[in-house]
Amino acid sequence: SQQGEEDPQALSIQEGENATMNCSYKTSINNLQWYRQNSGRGLVHLILIRSNEREKHSGRLRVTLDTSKKSSSLLITASRAADTASYFCATDDSSASKIIFGSGTRLSIRP
Amino acid sequence: NAGVTQTPKFQVLKTGQSMTLQCAQDMNHNSMYWYRQDPGMGLRLIYYSASEGTTDKGEVPNGYNVSRLNKREFSLRLESAAPSQTSVYFCASSVTGGVQPQHFGDGTRLSIL
Repeated sequence: SQQGEEDPQALSIQEGENATMNCSYKTSINNLQWYRQNSGRGLVHLILIRSNEREKHSGRLRVTLDTSKKSSSLLITASRAADTASYFCATDDSSASKIIFGSGTRLSIRP
Repeated sequence: NAGVTQTPKFQVLKTGQSMTLQCAQDMNHNSMYWYRQDPGMGLRLIYYSASEGTTDKGEVPNGYNVSRLNKREFSLRLESAAPSQTSVYFCASSVTGGVQPQHFGDGTRLSIL
């Protein structure tokens, strides 16, 4: 089934640095979403980017979408300890009736 | 604002036992979902309900049943639990189906011995 795959699987950076995570998918999409999951909690929606958009910002988050390469990136600027979490991309399925999650990137911020 | 509430938070079952996981949302959302999350595999959709009165299978429905009791509540039932169903189960809801952002509960951690 169509699925976003995040890269890298794990990322460890120093507090204050920028973190970049990538998501690749297989077939055409209507939109792509990014979610965050803190340890032991449910997922929290961060941002949605539509297929006709190339870039979107929300606070310290910047998401880009390249439909020609079937890929998206999530940039977190000036990272903080509270950004330590797993990050998932999600794409709509072929029927656009539901979304499919990738396996996530585990981000650790070192103090 | 409670959002999506799941009960119980933790449960241990023996193989062959049955149980129902409960989920309720107070956001007046039309669509609700059940996922399971296993290490390194992300979330996989078990069942979803696009609107009150409808349910559909997701990617991994075998061994599960669901009931959309009303607009607020969507339950997941394991009729005869198996060790392979040990997982963390998440309920989610969205305004409508399809590509809308989903709101998640904090999960039920289920162990089958």
